[in-house]
Amino acid sequence: EAGVTQFPSHSVIEKGQTVTLRCDPISGHDNLYWYRRVMGKEIKFLLHFVKESKQDESGMPNNRFLAERTGGTYSTLKVQPAELEDSGVYFCASSPRLAGGPTDTQYFGPGTRLTVL
Amino acid sequence: DAKTTQPTSMDCAEGRAANLPCNHSTISGNEYVYWYRQIHSQGPQYIIHGLKNNETNEMASLIITEDRKSSTLILPHATLRDTAVYYCIVRGYEYGNKLVFGAGTILRVKS
Repeated sequence: EAGVTQFPSHSVIEKGQTVTLRCDPISGHDNLYWYRRVMGKEIKFLLHFVKESKQDESGMPNNRFLAERTGGTYSTLKVQPAELEDSGVYFCASSPRLAGGPTDTQYFGPGTRLTVL
Repeated sequence: DAKTTQPTSMDCAEGRAANLPCNHSTISGNEYVYWYRQIHSQGPQYIIHGLKNNETNEMASLIITEDRKSSTLILPHATLRDTAVYYCIVRGYEYGNKLVFGAGTILRVKS
């Protein structure tokens, strides 16, 4: 069974440009999460999809970040316009249970390293 | 904020057991203890989780104290590939479905 995949693995862009990150969850997983780690900080939650709906957006830093999950399958995270402080590693995770909860284990992808110059 | 406290770093000799402690003194009765690790430049990897009973799988064992205020992750025969940051995370309905990561413990396995 394929794990969570993310594309690209690395992205280097100029400040003010737009970048779109993609995540493909494990097949059949209803829940999809985005997290990120910025330099020197801990991994932080960004948002949670249940199928195609946003369940929790409490971690999204500002309106320059837009996440979508078309048809409840893959997800994209767009940063527009990118700022220097957006540099970091963006992780995607998925979990299987529609009801979620504390026993619904999340499995992570390898991450996308974003560098904004 | 994370509800757990872990040592900043630990060393372990290759082939020996690695015992990683975690304090979660404010854990509630319906909250689970999860362990993840992050090997350099990879995504967090799920290891094990438990509620109150000890758990074992192919990767590790999880020992939870009777009062549930602390736990220990045990890697029975550490190898160099186990060098990673290990995160102890408490999960309950209070946080919804999100994982709240702390700083974790840097485990260095040395030959």
